[in-house]
Amino acid sequence: RKEVEQDPGPFNVPEGATVAFNCTYSNSASQSFFWYRQDCRKEPKLLMSVYSSGNEDGRFTAQLNRASQYISLLIRDSKLSDSATYLCVVNMFSGGYNKLIFGAGTRLAVHP
Amino acid sequence: DVKVTQSSRYLVKRTGEKVFLECVQDMDHENMFWYRQDPGLGLRLIYFSYDVKMKEKGDIPEGYSVSREKKERFSLILESASTNQTSMYLCASSYYGYEQYFGPGTRLTVT
Repeated sequence: RKEVEQDPGPFNVPEGATVAFNCTYSNSASQSFFWYRQDCRKEPKLLMSVYSSGNEDGRFTAQLNRASQYISLLIRDSKLSDSATYLCVVNMFSGGYNKLIFGAGTRLAVHP
Repeated sequence: DVKVTQSSRYLVKRTGEKVFLECVQDMDHENMFWYRQDPGLGLRLIYFSYDVKMKEKGDIPEGYSVSREKKERFSLILESASTNQTSMYLCASSYYGYEQYFGPGTRLTVT
């Protein structure tokens, strides 16, 4: 089983739609969670950190379910500019070091 | 804003050449990382460093080495480039275990 699993998509949605991505992780000891956004042929950029209580940033809402070991990202009122790959990221403490484990990403395509 | 820079955006090298990829960050971060990214595989950690002159192997260190002589600079070395090392190479830095900030990437082609 992969340490971080995401549906690769693509999710094809019209402008204005609400879309949700889920991500599952295997290490129950993970403490930090993030969503990154990556545009085609560009570097990943931090979209938002995910807190235990869930958090919202404008049209984006992230939630964490520790019991089921999954993280979600909800995008409301999708814009064309939201088209990108969304990476789920989870920390793992291994061998005395704290590392981030990246999912392979979920691709979102928003069309007019 | 955190700034992570990489020495080249695109690089073409021949099989067997020694290749140096340089990464510099300006935020005094302790931690620096080298990843490669291939379609369908996501980001895979090659090497990381938690301090000057310190390095640790990641998940796929074979065929690579690194150097960190100064806090702000982390170099990735391909001792003898091979075609299966054609990839996008991404450098990142972070403050301890917090979120990582990435450079723009180097797209390396080995022919």
